[in-house]
This record gives sequence, C-alpha cells and structure tokens, in this order.
Amino acid sequence: NAGVTQTPKFRVLKTGQSMTLLCAQDMNHEYMYWYRQDPGMGLRLIHYSVGEGTTAKGEVPDGYNVSRLKKQNFLLGLESAAPSQTSVYFCASSYGTAGSYNEQFFGPGTRLTVL
Amino acid sequence: RKEVEQDPGPFNVPEGATVAFNCTYSNSASQSFFWYRQDCRKEPKLLMSVYSSGNEDGRFTAQLNRASQYISLLIRDSKLSDSATYLCVVSRGSTLGRLYFGRGTQLTVWP
Repeated sequence: NAGVTQTPKFRVLKTGQSMTLLCAQDMNHEYMYWYRQDPGMGLRLIHYSVGEGTTAKGEVPDGYNVSRLKKQNFLLGLESAAPSQTSVYFCASSYGTAGSYNEQFFGPGTRLTVL
Repeated sequence: RKEVEQDPGPFNVPEGATVAFNCTYSNSASQSFFWYRQDCRKEPKLLMSVYSSGNEDGRFTAQLNRASQYISLLIRDSKLSDSATYLCVVSRGSTLGRLYFGRGTQLTVWP
C-alpha cells in the first residue's frame, strides 16, 4: 500500500515550457487535491476533484489545468510555465468530507523550479 | 482576512518543556478542526483532530473554543523529535472536504 505517490520528485523548467505532474493514490479515495506551498504562504489549494471525471477550481487556479480520468490518478498541468510557479507541489487525497473521513493524505511533493 | 491565522514562531524550547500553539479561524461555519505536522522538506501529516470537548493524545492536548473561534495545541515534555512545523487546519462542511491551512508554527526542541 503505497498511499499517495507523486511523479516527478524534482523538475527544472524554462519559462514557457509545459509539463504534467502525476498524482496516484491506491486507497480508493474519492477526493483528490493539488496544493502549492511557498515560503511564508502556507498551503494553497490549486484545484480539486470530488470524483472521477470531475474537477473544480481552488484558491489559486490560474496557469494550471487538471484532469481526473481515472479515480486513482489526478494530473496537474502547466501549459506555459512562469517563474511565479516555482514552488513545492503537494497532492492529497481523502475518503470523504465529514469528520475523520476528511483526513487528507499527502504525497511526498514535487519541487519545481522555473527559470 | 485569512481563513486561518497562526503565530509563525519560531518557538525554541529545551527538551522537557511545555509549549503551546494558538490559532484563530475567521469563518464561524467551520466544522472540523485538525492539527497537522510537517517535518522539514516533507509532506504534512495529520497529528490529531480537535473535538469540541477537547482531546488528548499522549503528550499532545488540543482545545477548541467555538465562541472565540480559537484552537490550541499543547505539547508536554517536549522531545527532540517534536521539532517540526505545526499546521492549524479547518474545514467547512459545505465545501466538499476542502481544508484551509494556517501558515504553520515552527518548533525547535533543543537538548
């Protein structure tokens, strides 16, 4: 049982390049989330999904797109990377939304640098 | 106003000390409350949920004051391994599981 995994762990991009971050979970969770974490800013929600085939915008969605074609996978895309997108990206998943089911399990993170 | 406010610290305490962290939240509709722990360059992990009546897990005690919209975490007999950043987290039941994170309070326990 791997929990939540993220690919890649590190990446350096040039401005304007595109890339996709992959998140996978093996806990059969319905809910999945993408966050970014910047110094002094805490965790900010980019996009989230409440089930296969559904996605919604979070707090800071601009410049990102997501897809949830399979229940276990949640992809985060950067179409044209900008230096402001340099950050640590965390994926998380949860079973539900009430009480203890709301616990979110996080992946190990992807450290992205945009030059 | 941010959804969740925390004193960023840092808190530097000796082993064996008692330390308390505080957190306030702005939305009275918040229904679930948590403390997460994040080690340096690692992912956040759930430390404990916070219940209305207060709850304890070993050396850790969490309190909730809904009237003041205030959450606290008390760590007794601090260990070196408690050094981490502690994140105060709240959830509104109507927002499909979305969690709102504070910026975190950094704790360093020294020998």
